[in-house]
Amino acid sequence: RKEVEQDPGPFNVPEGATVAFNCTYSNSASQSFFWYRQDCRKEPKLLMSVYSSGNEDGRFTAQLNRASQYISLLIRDSKLSDSATYLCVIINDYKLSFGAGTTVTVRA
Amino acid sequence: EPEVTQTPSHQVTQMGQEVILRCVPISNHLYFYWYRQILGQKVEFLVSFYNNEISEKSEIFDDQFSVERPDGSNFTLKIRSTKLEDSAMYFCASSPTGNYGYTFGSGTRLTVV
Repeated sequence: RKEVEQDPGPFNVPEGATVAFNCTYSNSASQSFFWYRQDCRKEPKLLMSVYSSGNEDGRFTAQLNRASQYISLLIRDSKLSDSATYLCVIINDYKLSFGAGTTVTVRA
Repeated sequence: EPEVTQTPSHQVTQMGQEVILRCVPISNHLYFYWYRQILGQKVEFLVSFYNNEISEKSEIFDDQFSVERPDGSNFTLKIRSTKLEDSAMYFCASSPTGNYGYTFGSGTRLTVV
């Protein structure tokens, strides 16, 4: 089983729609979870951390389910500028492990 | 906002040549990393560096790779004899503690011809 697995998508959604996707992880001892955003040929940038109780940052909501070993990201009222690849990232042993990314395309 | 700086942004080299990719991490960070991303693939861990030595390396980081922190500010990745399959985007990152606050540089696109 891969350390971090994501649905690659693509998710093609109209502006204003809600889109959600998950990421599963294999190491039950993983402690820190993040969603990063990567635009084409750019560096990954931190979107938000994922906390045990779930957390929101504006239109973005992240959840963690330790029992089933997955995290999720929900984007509400999606904007054209949300088009990107969303990377699930986990810290184990002082280093980041990346999923392959979920591509989201928001159309006008 | 503090940045991680990488140079050059693009490098084209012939197979078999040596390349050095340079990074200036954020000044008060203690953990330094190199990652690479082959076009269309995921970001892969290469090596982590802490307290002036390699703390972990992946199986990708074989004998042709080396890292140095020669002067307390720069952090370099050397590829001794490049292969076509080394063509990728190489990202440097730093973190204050290794547990949070990772910042990535904008990357060096290496093309081996």
